[in-house]
Amino acid sequence: GAVVSQHPSRVICKSGTSVKIECRSLDFQATTMFWYRQFPKQSLMLMATSNEGSKATYEQGVEKDKFLINHASLTLSTLTVTSAHPEDSSFYICSARSPSGRTDTQYFGPGTRLTVL
Amino acid sequence: GDSVTQMEGPVTLSEEAFLTINCTYTATGYPSLFWYVQYPGEGLQLLLKATKADDKGSNKGFEATYRKETTSFHLEKGSVQVSDSAVYFCALSGEGFKTIFGAGTRLFVKA
Repeated sequence: GAVVSQHPSRVICKSGTSVKIECRSLDFQATTMFWYRQFPKQSLMLMATSNEGSKATYEQGVEKDKFLINHASLTLSTLTVTSAHPEDSSFYICSARSPSGRTDTQYFGPGTRLTVL
Repeated sequence: GDSVTQMEGPVTLSEEAFLTINCTYTATGYPSLFWYVQYPGEGLQLLLKATKADDKGSNKGFEATYRKETTSFHLEKGSVQVSDSAVYFCALSGEGFKTIFGAGTRLFVKA
């Protein structure tokens, strides 16, 4: 099946620094990618929808200046957490939508665990 | 807006017991429904899905049937194993192909 990768899988950074997380669809072109955030022992919360070549659409309550999303190509979307703080520590998961007709198939990446000290 | 409600956990079962995790949804239109599984420290894996009413999704002994009349998509397995211990998420994909997740149900299976 389709594979979505994320890099890095884990990152630890100091407060105030910026961190970039990459999401790649390895064997298909994804016109739409999604970014989720998961707090410990909680569900996934959709942060934003990323469409190739256009600005991301952010969910209510998500700071677009803090979480910068770039979908530069059909196989790559990046999430940059700017000026990270300890409360940004979380598990970030991306998914990529495979445009295969009406069937809605999304493939999830393995996640990136961000720890801000 | 669209939403998914699933039973709270944790659910603790003995090996070979029958499993049911309830899931109901509210949505406009005709969403696709999914069950995802997350093992400790890992990302999400699609377990099964159904795209229209009365469809039954099945995989690895797990089943769920898309019930439009009761807006439900309950997950069942006839005989659980220790290796099934994980967190299970019910989800729907509706408008704009956004996936809305339930809160997750943690399953512990004892040997």
